[in-house]
Amino acid sequence: KAGVTQTPRYLIKTRGQQVTLSCSPISGHRSVSWYQQTPGQGLQFLFEYFSETQRNKGNFPGRFSGRQFSNSRSEMNVSTLELGDSALYLCATKDRTGELFFGEGSRLTVL
Amino acid sequence: AQTVTQSQPEMSVQEAETVTLSCTYDTSESDYYLFWYKQPPSRQMILVIRQEAYKQQNATENRFSVNFQKAAKSFSLKISDSQLGDAAMYFCAYRSTYSGAGSYQLTFGKGTKLSVIP
Repeated sequence: KAGVTQTPRYLIKTRGQQVTLSCSPISGHRSVSWYQQTPGQGLQFLFEYFSETQRNKGNFPGRFSGRQFSNSRSEMNVSTLELGDSALYLCATKDRTGELFFGEGSRLTVL
Repeated sequence: AQTVTQSQPEMSVQEAETVTLSCTYDTSESDYYLFWYKQPPSRQMILVIRQEAYKQQNATENRFSVNFQKAAKSFSLKISDSQLGDAAMYFCAYRSTYSGAGSYQLTFGKGTKLSVIP
């Protein structure tokens, strides 16, 4: 069984640009969550999607958005990038027992 | 809001020895879940162990065990017979059972970097 796949793995952007990150869940997993990981703030919850609906959202500005498609794949978008958005963005999907499976992350550097 | 605190940013252990990582949390809820996750360098985070708050018995998974003290809001992880492959960041995490709309939001501690000395 393939794991959680996140693309791209690494990317560099400049301030003011926007970025889209993708997450493909494990087959059969319908819940997708996103987390931002930085050295200073640690892991912070961004949002969670289930059956194409956002179930919960963390305390992030509106520049951070996401969506989920009918095949459970999810994307997150960050508009008007700021230096502080440099982080590892982790996607996690949940199986029926409630266990979370994480992807390897997308490392975003904003210059 | 719940908070999770890991007071040890870094720890080291000799190979084959035992190490305990500390975690405390703050919540007003009576039912919740606690987790320890392992994040090796440049690799994905994986679940090490899970504890349901309503269970008094401490969870155990092979060489990994927890000491869950609900009244003290403490949830430490003990790693026995440490191996080189145990070197990683370890995160303690909390999940409320009362998250809205069935949400599965985790609140993480800042992590403890564990080094294993050969």
